[in-house]
Amino acid sequence: GQQLNQSPQSMFIQEGEDVSMNCTSSSIFNTWLWYKQEPGEGPVLLIALYKAGELTSNGRLTAQFGITRKDSFLNISASIPSDVGIYFCAGQLSEVGDGLTFGKGTHLIIQP
Amino acid sequence: GAVVSQHPSRVICKSGTSVKIECRSLDFQATTMFWYRQFPKQSLMLMATSNEGSKATYEQGVEKDKFLINHASLTLSTLTVTSAHPEDSSFYICSTQESGAPGYGYTFGSGTRLTVV
Repeated sequence: GQQLNQSPQSMFIQEGEDVSMNCTSSSIFNTWLWYKQEPGEGPVLLIALYKAGELTSNGRLTAQFGITRKDSFLNISASIPSDVGIYFCAGQLSEVGDGLTFGKGTHLIIQP
Repeated sequence: GAVVSQHPSRVICKSGTSVKIECRSLDFQATTMFWYRQFPKQSLMLMATSNEGSKATYEQGVEKDKFLINHASLTLSTLTVTSAHPEDSSFYICSTQESGAPGYGYTFGSGTRLTVV
């Protein structure tokens, strides 16, 4: 089946630093999504990407969908303590009706 | 935006018993719902796709007789873990997607922590 390779697995950073994480895949996805998950909760959508090359921002978060539709990155600028959590990339093969394939997650830890 | 309610949030059951988890779409009709499983410190893995009024589609390696899915209405899907064993202990999460809203309309429930003792 499809796999998403997400890196890094974990990040230890100082408050105020910028963060970058990325995902790659051997498959082409129609939609690419970035989620954040807190302990004991379901994932919460951060950014959705639909078009190849699309660059989208949501506050301090910026994500881009690769031209080949096989990769994406997520950047967080000026990190704050509430950014702590696990970030997942996820891909959807078709527009509607397909479940998501998730990356393994990036655990973000922020030191004050 | 869309709201998906999942119940219960936590359940502890004895080995050999069955547990039912409910997933409801509160403000829209969902013809399709998805069930995921997440083991500690791991990613979410799609278990099955639940289709209203028809049989669920299971991912490879997921036992359909063990994980019974019923999607009897446009707002409710249930996952029943039958004859649960300790290795079934996991975080189960449902999600649904509003028709006509690809990607962005994909909403998750808050999950159910199942512990089998």
